Amino acid sequence: QKEVEQNSGPLSVPEGAIASLNCTYSDRGSQSFFWYRQYSGKSPELIMSIYSNGDKEDGRFTAQLNKASQYVSLLIRDSQPSDSATYLCAAFMDTGRRALTFGSGTRLQVQP
Amino acid sequence: DAGVTQSPTHLIKTRGQQVTLRCSPKSGHDTVSWYQQALGQGPQFIFQYYEEEERQRGNFPDRFSGHQFPNYSSELNVNALLLGDSALYLCASSLEIQSASGNTIYFGEGSWLTVV
Repeated sequence: QKEVEQNSGPLSVPEGAIASLNCTYSDRGSQSFFWYRQYSGKSPELIMSIYSNGDKEDGRFTAQLNKASQYVSLLIRDSQPSDSATYLCAAFMDTGRRALTFGSGTRLQVQP
Repeated sequence: DAGVTQSPTHLIKTRGQQVTLRCSPKSGHDTVSWYQQALGQGPQFIFQYYEEEERQRGNFPDRFSGHQFPNYSSELNVNALLLGDSALYLCASSLEIQSASGNTIYFGEGSWLTVV
């Protein structure tokens, strides 16, 4: 079992719709979670972080965390074609190995 | 304020050769981590350097080695290259004292390695 799992997609949504990206993790020691956006040929760019159960909103992005279910999600409202990219979910443990564990990413396609 | 810089950006090597990739962390950062990202996969943690020592290591063979210099810059060395080593190599820097949250990790643009 992978430590962080994501559906590879592609997830296709029309422009203006809500895109919902999901991620599950296996290590209950994970304390914080991150969503990175990666355009083709580029390095990952941090777009959201979340540490506590519940929702965290930043502009068009909302991250949701449920530690009991070991589930993290990212909602993108009013999706734009420029949001088309691969979205990487990552978990971080603040003890032991202080490094990010990434999922394989979900490719999002926003259709104009 | 320069971010994380990596060099070279692209390179092509032959199987069996050795390669060295370089990273300069963001100004003020003292911790450098290296990740390998194969096509279609998420980045995988190779190792982390702090105070010029390898502190943590992921599931990578000894062909992967590194070094951190007194100015906090770092090198990643890969010996006896295999076709499967073809990937994007990402350097990430952070500040040890702020590392508890993981929210201060900055990535460079990466080095694309192709092994033929």
